[in-house]
Formats: sequence, C-alpha cells, structure tokens
Amino acid sequence: DSGVTQTPKHLITATGQRVTLRCSPRSGDLSVYWYQQSLDQGLQFLIQYYNGEERAKGNILERFSAQQFPDLHSELNLSSLELGDSALYFCASSVSESSGNTIYFGEGSWLTVV
Amino acid sequence: AQSVTQLGSHVSVSEGALVLLRCNYSSSVPPYLFWYVQYPNQGLQLLLKYTSAATLVKGINGFEAEFKKSETSFHLTKPSAHMSDAAEYFCAVSKGSARQLTFGSGTQLTVLP
Repeated sequence: DSGVTQTPKHLITATGQRVTLRCSPRSGDLSVYWYQQSLDQGLQFLIQYYNGEERAKGNILERFSAQQFPDLHSELNLSSLELGDSALYFCASSVSESSGNTIYFGEGSWLTVV
Repeated sequence: AQSVTQLGSHVSVSEGALVLLRCNYSSSVPPYLFWYVQYPNQGLQLLLKYTSAATLVKGINGFEAEFKKSETSFHLTKPSAHMSDAAEYFCAVSKGSARQLTFGSGTQLTVLP
C-alpha cells in the first residue's frame, strides 16, 4: 500500500458526460501528480500541483482540469468525454518537488467511456 | 530534453534465469532515474532509484540497476527470475520544473516455468 488513495476504482460512463476522480496523497506529501495510462499513449503526465498551486502541465486536454484543495486532496475533472478518454488514471504524490524524490502512485481509477 | 528508451517491449525468461531489462536515457546533465513495476491490475510500485549517490543501486525483490554514464544506460537486472516477477516494468526519468516523471514505453516480463 503506497498510501495514495484514489476513488473510484472503476467507472463506466457515456460519451459526452463529465466525471470527477479523487485522490488523497500520502500523509505529509505536498505534491500531487496526475498521469494517464492508455494502450496507445503509454504513461503520460497530465498535471502537477504543489501545496494548492498548479506547477506543471503535461499532455492534458482542455476538456480536463484539476485542482488541489487546502487539505491537499486533489480532483481531476474530465468533461465532454470521448471514447478515447478510456484509460487508467493515476494519482501520485511526493513530499516536495526536489529532484530524486520518490513519487508514490495510487492504484488508479479505471475509466471506461461507452 | 530528457527522455528514456526501453529496448524490448516484451522479454521472456525461464524461471531461475537472469533478468535483464534495458533502459537508455538521453540527457545533457546527470539525471535522476527510476524503475517502477506494475503488476496486473495494480498501480506502479517503485523498485529502485538512482540519485547520483552510487552507480550500482539495489532495490526491492532482488532487483538492481547500474548507472553507466558512458553508455547512458540504466539497465535493470535480477540474477534469478521468479514466477512472481512477471509484470510490466517502466524506466523513468525525473525532469521538468516540477520534477515530474517521464516514463519509457514499458517492458512486459514473462517468466516461463
């Protein structure tokens, strides 16, 4: 158990819908990362927050957004869903942004868009 | 820009044989390198990491990796494969202002009885 908690574990929804994925980082970790894992794109970095502030963006679509709340949990919002958004979404956390910090991953949220 | 390349999307070894999973990085400065493992239907688990302290890094489950600057490599090895090692393995480099991980494409390890 990495200590990173993600909910829901599985989600099936229809095209055009909106979903919210939730992440609780490890106790004491200030940095939260979101990744998408799909068969065709592999593991892609989406976005990162540190202590409530957005710090880096990767290959995140405009239909997607995220935030980190004062209690440090984070949510990833996916809207106007398309079939191609079906993927495993990981949340990860680390203590800080220092290079070499270990980044711990949750077990992911499986999203299926039908 | 820093990136990693994993050679071989699928590797099969017999139980008890040497495991060698290849990772090469491209970087103009010494990188921070990681190996993660993903078991079926599970998240990513850190096996080991290189942060410039020692070139030979020992990780969990008997795995180790050696950082070779001259070859820009960080190959993962295990002397004797076990059935439980069957999983997908990802090499990653820490990059960017937020030190996010950039992953290789992964290597699926199959262990044959």
